[in-house]
Amino acid sequence: AQSVTQPDIHITVSEGASLELRCNYSYGATPYLFWYVQSPGQGLQLLLKYFSGDTLVQGIKGFEAEFKRSQSSFNLRKPSVHWSDAAEYFCAVGGSNYQLIWGAGTKLIIKP
Amino acid sequence: DADVTQTPRNRITKTGKRIMLECSQTKGHDRMYWYRQDPGLGLRLIYYSFDVKDINKGEISDGYSVSRQAQAKFSLSLESAIPNQTALYFCATSDSNGRWETQYFGPGTRLLVL
Repeated sequence: AQSVTQPDIHITVSEGASLELRCNYSYGATPYLFWYVQSPGQGLQLLLKYFSGDTLVQGIKGFEAEFKRSQSSFNLRKPSVHWSDAAEYFCAVGGSNYQLIWGAGTKLIIKP
Repeated sequence: DADVTQTPRNRITKTGKRIMLECSQTKGHDRMYWYRQDPGLGLRLIYYSFDVKDINKGEISDGYSVSRQAQAKFSLSLESAIPNQTALYFCATSDSNGRWETQYFGPGTRLLVL
């Protein structure tokens, strides 16, 4: 069955430190992968997506993600986080019937 | 003005009541979606519509119904609300150029069923 796992429910990092959020997927075919961000009190916004080609994908707000087929992973990274990055981050994979399969989310907390 | 709006933003209702959540969009998109978000579960798709005449059940459609009144409007109804339907509900839209277009989300409706 198709699924997405985000192993970390919460992650706390200091402002200015680097960030990596983990995402593992289970999907039989070539996956279509997404990262969305949900800022407090707001809807979700697309950060980046991977369909094919270069496995390192650049997104908005200085985020990037790397697709690793051998590890079934699509981890999100940022070299230096800002307090405004505090939010919940969701990984998703395009499943059957045009439905996105979502991970449970990782809440990012920034220490001053 | 926001591209995807949801009304109401917050709603408290009682078990057994029928309620409607409304979604409007000005993005001109054909595709619209209703999701619910529960802590620790991520988002789950309730219904989706690829045009006014096309309505499809999602992963968790039981207890819900929808109406696509126009390209820009997509309403979600809880026929007889139960406490288990307490959640954050999101409407989203996307273009129809490809299979996996970016989805644009409304701000959400927080529903409490007592």
